[in-house]
Amino acid sequence: GAVVSQHPSWVICKSGTSVKIECRSLDFQATTMFWYRQFPKQSLMLMATSNEGSKATYEQGVEKDKFLINHASLTLSTLTVTSAHPEDSSFYICSASGQGGSPLHFGNGTRLTVT
Amino acid sequence: EDQVTQSPEALRLQEGESSSLNCSYTVSGLRGLFWYRQDPGKGPEFLFTLYSAGEEKEKERLKATLTKKESFLHITAPKPEDSATYLCAVQAPAAGNKLTFGGGTRVLVKP
Repeated sequence: GAVVSQHPSWVICKSGTSVKIECRSLDFQATTMFWYRQFPKQSLMLMATSNEGSKATYEQGVEKDKFLINHASLTLSTLTVTSAHPEDSSFYICSASGQGGSPLHFGNGTRLTVT
Repeated sequence: EDQVTQSPEALRLQEGESSSLNCSYTVSGLRGLFWYRQDPGKGPEFLFTLYSAGEEKEKERLKATLTKKESFLHITAPKPEDSATYLCAVQAPAAGNKLTFGGGTRVLVKP
């Protein structure tokens, strides 16, 4: 089955620093990848849609200058949280799909803690 | 705007006690309805995709059904390892490949 790898699985950083999270599709080409954020006991909230070779599309209320997304190849998308603050602490999850209508497969998430 | 509502929010079951989870949705043209299982600290794990009303899919103790307004996830004779959060999501052409998620149902199966 389709496998999506996300790295790191957890990271602790100091306030003001930047953190990069990688999302890779291991056995298929992902023209589109999605980045979600999840707070404890809540569902997934879509942050942005990442299309290979073009700019990401951000959901309303998501700061594009704070959450930088790069989708440089069909198998890799990155999310960089810039100038992180404690309120950015959350569980970030990526997903990928090869074609419309096919199920999205998710990475195992990254737990970000900003101190 | 696409909307997905799951009920109940939480469900406590005794091992072997069958039950159903509900996912109600409103969407402009359903491309697919997806069920996922999520364990704590992990990403969602794909379970089923349903495309049209009347469709049913089964996997072990789980069975998903779909009508024009809602989907049910039936858990038959659950075991403690079925404890997880079950997420329902819809995909619509107007929204591209984006999934709109419901709030999830946290299921706890006690031995």
